[in-house]
Amino acid sequence: DVVMTQSPLSLPVTLGQPASISCRSSQSLVYTDGDTFLDWFQQRPGQSPRRLIYKVSNRDSGVPDRFSGSGSATDFTLKISRVEAEDVGIYYCMQGTHWPYTFGQGTKLEIK
Amino acid sequence: EVQLLESGGGLVQPGGSLRLSCAASGFTFSNYAMRWVRQTPGKRLEWVAAISSSGANAYYVDSVSGRFTVSRDNSKNTLYLQMHSLRAEDTAIYYCAKGPSGSLDHWGQGTLVTVSS
Repeated sequence: DVVMTQSPLSLPVTLGQPASISCRSSQSLVYTDGDTFLDWFQQRPGQSPRRLIYKVSNRDSGVPDRFSGSGSATDFTLKISRVEAEDVGIYYCMQGTHWPYTFGQGTKLEIK
Repeated sequence: EVQLLESGGGLVQPGGSLRLSCAASGFTFSNYAMRWVRQTPGKRLEWVAAISSSGANAYYVDSVSGRFTVSRDNSKNTLYLQMHSLRAEDTAIYYCAKGPSGSLDHWGQGTLVTVSS
């Protein structure tokens, strides 16, 4: 199975400051059709996960533009340009290129 | 608005069985592959199973293969997960989710399964 490794696992951030989460895969996530199936999810306390970003860098409808995704092949990043209080939660990356699809361990973002 | 509502979770003894349901609305259910994903008490997320839009094809993670069966009734807009030979390590919140191939764009609120004597 493809192993997804996130860092850091804990991310204390001051309000208004940027934040960055790394996600690395044990294999390339480029599919045979050229697409790269790497998603980012946010899970706020007490809620279900919500997709923020799909195929590396595409923001879902309703997701603030302070969230951005980038990367290629095995190395990916989620950036928040200015952290707000509502961003507290756990962030997961997920690969959907190789079955079984797999998630990272999660990064817990908290306000300093 | 897409809605996915899971039910059927509960406390079950090791070796027991349980059937989860997921009622879907707000989209054309029969057009979409559906999935089950679980979240352990330690917050780890794990794909459990997937089923094609017609129900003809099903896929399982190795840890549940042979014990769990995913199915769907497109006339009732409902997804199912039949679980047998349950183990302590199956304890988790079970989510149903939809999405295009390789992704998950909507999740339900989840149903808790606890396997314990």
